[in-house]
Amino acid sequence: EIVMTQSPVTLSVSPGERATLSCRASQSVSSNLAWYQQKPGQAPRLLIYGASTRAAGIPARFSGSGSGTEFTLTITSLQSEDAAIYYCQECYHWPPTYTFGQGTKVEIK
Amino acid sequence: EVQLVESGGGLVQPGGSLRLTCAASGFSFRSFNMNWVRQAPGKGLEWLAHISRNSDVIFHADSVKGRFTISRDNAKNSLYLQMNSLRDEDTAVYYCAKGTVATRPVFDFWGQGALVTVSS
Repeated sequence: EIVMTQSPVTLSVSPGERATLSCRASQSVSSNLAWYQQKPGQAPRLLIYGASTRAAGIPARFSGSGSGTEFTLTITSLQSEDAAIYYCQECYHWPPTYTFGQGTKVEIK
Repeated sequence: EVQLVESGGGLVQPGGSLRLTCAASGFSFRSFNMNWVRQAPGKGLEWLAHISRNSDVIFHADSVKGRFTISRDNAKNSLYLQMNSLRDEDTAVYYCAKGTVATRPVFDFWGQGALVTVSS
């Protein structure tokens, strides 16, 4: 069973600053890693897939990196509308398990 | 515009059954795999089930295997989740999610969710 661990649990960042979120897989998932953003009362939204490819319509301030077991989501120049919970998800295993991390909450200072 | 609209949620007693429907529009429903994901109150996301374009490949998470069944009707652009033997811990918002066309698909569009409450 694969476990996805995100850190930190909560991140407080000032507007205009950089936010760096981490996701670690308990075993290699190659580059098969996605990031989602979920705002209160809303459905998740796909941000990044393939570890580093932005989904359609996602602003360039969101970027993903990593492979294997260590991944990073970076939000440069944080905006107030970026306050949300961010989840990583592995999409490597088949049959699928689509395991999500527990989420990182990004707060605006 | 891609739209996914879940319906069929509500209050059900433990041991009861419920069937969720996800109505799809704005894309060629028959061309994409689909999934169900749930989120318990204040908790994270949990994938539940996957169904391929023509229903020939179906997977369920271990947590719901034998109790929940995913299905689809491409003629009606609809995805279903039949939930039987419901437990308190099945209380959650249930989302349908469209899969991408990829060897390892991700979920590029989500519905707004249907709340299922299991309680006596």
